[in-house]
Amino acid sequence: GENVEQHPSTLSVQEGDSAVIKCTYSDSASNYFPWYKQELGKRPQLIIDIRSNVGEKKDQRIAVTLNKTAKHFSLHITETQPEDSAVYFCAASNNNAGNMLTFGGGTRLMVKP
Amino acid sequence: NAGVTQTPKFQVLKTGQSMTLQCAQDMNHNSMYWYRQDPGMGLRLIYYSASEGTTDKGEVPNGYNVSRLNKREFSLRLESAAPSQTSVYFCASKEAQGSPLHFGNGTRLTVT
Repeated sequence: GENVEQHPSTLSVQEGDSAVIKCTYSDSASNYFPWYKQELGKRPQLIIDIRSNVGEKKDQRIAVTLNKTAKHFSLHITETQPEDSAVYFCAASNNNAGNMLTFGGGTRLMVKP
Repeated sequence: NAGVTQTPKFQVLKTGQSMTLQCAQDMNHNSMYWYRQDPGMGLRLIYYSASEGTTDKGEVPNGYNVSRLNKREFSLRLESAAPSQTSVYFCASKEAQGSPLHFGNGTRLTVT
């Protein structure tokens, strides 16, 4: 089955700096890669996703890049703000029968004001 | 339009007790999932239902059972709770392949 690894597990940046979180996946058939943000005590919420026919996608201060050959994808947050502090999860799935998402272990991002 | 609704929000059980976690979605999604989240372990899939009438094991199914009651509802049952099942449980649903997963607010379960 799919295995998703996420690095780093914790990341501390100064407000205004950029943050990068990286994930690798094992199943070359994976074709959908979402990113979730989870604030303390709350549910994970989708912030951006990318499909395998696209190399990069941006939404304001957030961007995701995908390298299918190397089987890795990354989340980039620019001009970080204290409200970006949360745990971020990457995930991967393919057109399997269960439409299952496999999640990475999470990255705790702390943005210091 | 409530999305994914889970009940209860909190529960404390003694070892050996049983309980059922309820989940319902009003988005007409085909697929539903149960995840558990432990500190430092991310989200691990317990069981899923790709469509009404089907259920399958995920990564960590031992100690749990599920029922896809209808298209809206997917329940998770602990027959004999153990301290190792102390966790936060999330129900989720999605419309189809390659579509986003929508999570409920979670159930925080403590087994003493």
